[in-house]
Amino acid sequence: EVQLVESGGGLVQPGESLRLSCAASGFIFSSSWMNWVRQAPGKGLEWVANINPGGSEKSYVDSVKGRFTVSRDNAKNLLYLQMNSLRVEDTAVYYCAGWFGESNCWGQGALVTVSS
Amino acid sequence: DVVMTQSPLSLPVNLGQPASISCSSSQSLVSRDGNTYLEWFQQRPGQSPRRLIYKVSHRDSGVPDKFSGSGSGTDFTLKISRVEAEDVGVYYCMQYTHWPHTFGGGTKVEIK
Repeated sequence: EVQLVESGGGLVQPGESLRLSCAASGFIFSSSWMNWVRQAPGKGLEWVANINPGGSEKSYVDSVKGRFTVSRDNAKNLLYLQMNSLRVEDTAVYYCAGWFGESNCWGQGALVTVSS
Repeated sequence: DVVMTQSPLSLPVNLGQPASISCSSSQSLVSRDGNTYLEWFQQRPGQSPRRLIYKVSHRDSGVPDKFSGSGSGTDFTLKISRVEAEDVGVYYCMQYTHWPHTFGGGTKVEIK
């Protein structure tokens, strides 16, 4: 069964850091483009970042450039999102999503709340 | 950035009736490789998004054939031939022809 499971969400204060992890199973992780997509409370979907299968190409939405870093460990089938200098407007459910072949899979999401 | 505009914002539909959602992009979504990377996602209440359609008109595995996608260039449509209670939720179009990937604002489908 194809599965993505996020972890690492929580409540932090503005300016603090948090690292999200996403554990993949049931598909060839090392051959898949992986993405982070977020959804602020009551709002729509916003693509945040992605990384190519080998980890050499990374892209980010402008609002997180310089603060967020996406990475992966293909040996452990893990995807990460390091989030630094968090802002109140980063509050959202963060989804890990994979595109592999002609298939697509999303995790259940991890809630990140940035508040003082 | 490519702006994806969906209409309508809200779509009340009677059970068993068809529904149609439009999505237009601010630039052509035809890629240099000739493909059009336009996808449709369904998000039921309290659930993660689920992809229904990729490359404009290809249904994902397990997606009922009541869902169909069409369009080209900058104008795209998702149709549900007969709406059932399980189809309630928000539907999003997304493009990844251009960086960054961008989503439409969503269309909320509800039962009248």
